[in-house]
Amino acid sequence: DAGVIQSPRHEVTEMGQEVTLRCKPISGHNSLFWYRQTMMRGLELLIYFNNNVPIDDSGMPEDRFSAKMPNASFSTLKIQPSEPRDSAVYFCASSPLVGGGGTGELFFGEGSRLTVL
Amino acid sequence: LAKTTQPISMDSYEGQEVNITCSHNNIATNDYITWYQQFPSQGPRFIIQGYKTKVTNEVASLFIPADRKSSTLSLPRVSLSDTAVYYCLVGDHRIKAAGNKLTFGGGTRVLVKP
Repeated sequence: DAGVIQSPRHEVTEMGQEVTLRCKPISGHNSLFWYRQTMMRGLELLIYFNNNVPIDDSGMPEDRFSAKMPNASFSTLKIQPSEPRDSAVYFCASSPLVGGGGTGELFFGEGSRLTVL
Repeated sequence: LAKTTQPISMDSYEGQEVNITCSHNNIATNDYITWYQQFPSQGPRFIIQGYKTKVTNEVASLFIPADRKSSTLSLPRVSLSDTAVYYCLVGDHRIKAAGNKLTFGGGTRVLVKP
């Protein structure tokens, strides 16, 4: 399997521009998570989906952030308008919905490094 | 969700055993303890998970005392490539709906020196 695929790997944009980050989870995984990582705040959970349905978006910083999962194989995280304080590495992770003896292991993508000037 | 406390950083030398203790005083009955490893410029990677006593795999061992208020990740004979940040997470990963939030704390930065 190819693992979780994120794009773009790097994005540099100017304040006020719209940013869209993309994620393709591992096939068969039912849960998808978006995290943000900065030196100051560490790894923050922004939102997660189960079976394409957003379950908890309480970690989304503000209305400028939105996430969608139109189908089981694709999700987007959009920031509009972007601000310098949004600069961070954004990780997408997927996991199978757990049953039996599963560990609920999260499989992370390589991240999208966003720089907002 | 159970809050976790880990040391911020630890230094070690190649070939030594590294033990990282995580405190989780308010762990719930259904909570499991999971450890992840993160290398620079990569996403975290699952290492090990346990509920009680001891769990061992090819990478590490996890020791959990009877009261489960803490856990210790043990990395045997570390090498330079084990330099990473190690995160302790506590929660019930089996919850399939709201509440299944996997929250990472600050982690422990382990530096392995030659």
